[in-house]
Amino acid sequence: GQQLNQSPQSMFIQEGEDVSMNCTSSSIFNTWLWYKQDPGEGPVLLIALYKAGELTSNGRLTAQFGITRKDSFLNISASIPSDVGIYFCAGQLYSNSGYALNFGKGTSLLVTP
Amino acid sequence: GAVVSQHPSWVICKSGTSVKIECRSLDFQATTMFWYRQFPKQSLMLMATSNEGSKATYEQGVEKDKFLINHASLTLSTLTVTSAHPEDSSFYICSAVAAGELFFGEGSRLTVL
Repeated sequence: GQQLNQSPQSMFIQEGEDVSMNCTSSSIFNTWLWYKQDPGEGPVLLIALYKAGELTSNGRLTAQFGITRKDSFLNISASIPSDVGIYFCAGQLYSNSGYALNFGKGTSLLVTP
Repeated sequence: GAVVSQHPSWVICKSGTSVKIECRSLDFQATTMFWYRQFPKQSLMLMATSNEGSKATYEQGVEKDKFLINHASLTLSTLTVTSAHPEDSSFYICSAVAAGELFFGEGSRLTVL
């Protein structure tokens, strides 16, 4: 599958700080998604982006789909301890496989009280 | 949202034995399910696409004879790791599409001794 480059690999911040992470790809995707995974659990969808340039918010989370459809960023404002987890970006191409996703390597977020 | 459930959550087996992992869509029907594998601190890698009533589609590099997939009904797909070896120890996650959104199971942690 296509490679997604996600950065940073990890972040260690204090409660209340804002966080930003991003993903880039050499390929174009139809849809870009951001997931959060808690230890020992499956990923949970945070935000889905469908249109180039789309900016979408979900509570304290904001994500944008790049104009070229090759990149996206996720911002978390005023972080809280429960934001701890691994955040994955995922690109989706509509193909015979339907909804199969290509995942980035994840950004591990640690928030200290 | 829709619920995808996996069983077992944890399994430990001896090298050379086979292990079956179930993936169920609890409140919707899924003609297609996806199986992912995730090694520690790594991203999710798509292994195969499970199709109800037909053969699964495997990603390049995934041995179909080792990872047997059976999608016997619209709510159940099973992944059998045959003749498991320690290098097969991983977190296996399934997913299914409901109302255009991909939902993930809780994952199954396999440890092969």
